[in-house]
Amino acid sequence: QLQLQESGPGLVRPSETLSLNCTVSGGSLMTSGYYWGWIRQPPGKGLEWIGSVYFNGNTQYSPSLKSRVSVSVDTSRKQFSLTLNSVTAADTAVYYCARRTLVGSTIDYWGQGTLVTVS
Amino acid sequence: QSALTQPRSVSGSPGQSVTISCTGTSSDVGRSYFVSWYRQHPGSAPELVIYDVNKRPSGIPGRFSGSKSVNTASLTISGLQAEDEAEYYCCSYAGSNTLIFGGGTTLTVL
Repeated sequence: QLQLQESGPGLVRPSETLSLNCTVSGGSLMTSGYYWGWIRQPPGKGLEWIGSVYFNGNTQYSPSLKSRVSVSVDTSRKQFSLTLNSVTAADTAVYYCARRTLVGSTIDYWGQGTLVTVS
Repeated sequence: QSALTQPRSVSGSPGQSVTISCTGTSSDVGRSYFVSWYRQHPGSAPELVIYDVNKRPSGIPGRFSGSKSVNTASLTISGLQAEDEAEYYCCSYAGSNTLIFGGGTTLTVL
């Protein structure tokens, strides 16, 4: 059974960089047909798609975050990562890592989520 | 790129049916049959309940169904049960391999 687990600091200072990792177990990052990505949810609010990466390094980002975000993959460590620059309080959220299909909008596996507070 | 529009809340009694709408534009919902729906219970990660407009993943009962007309997608839950009470989100492909979510709908089982 595929499992995803987020890790990283729970507290980030304003203007600094948020960095999270997602470790994949029970499956391979190199499985064709899937992107690996990030979604966030501010407290009490809805879901926001951030971006995703293919195992070959190809990336896609939300237009609203594109200038500040980077998603990368390290297949040898079975991890993919999120970097968000110049954070503000508005970036406080639960951050989920997830697997999505190459074609379509299907997100079929999610991590449990990790709360990152900017303060 | 604004979030897809969903009603803030819907409700129904056990055994009844409810429908949640998800309205977008020709740039997202209207461009393809790539709309998915997610159920989220408090404190938990979202769970896929419908993909590609009307397909159900294994383990999701037939009470869940989806449809789409032009720029509006819909999720219908029939035979409401107490455990269906949750937040529901739609998600659409928005071109260039990007995704967009709806604002979420709170389903209350009366």
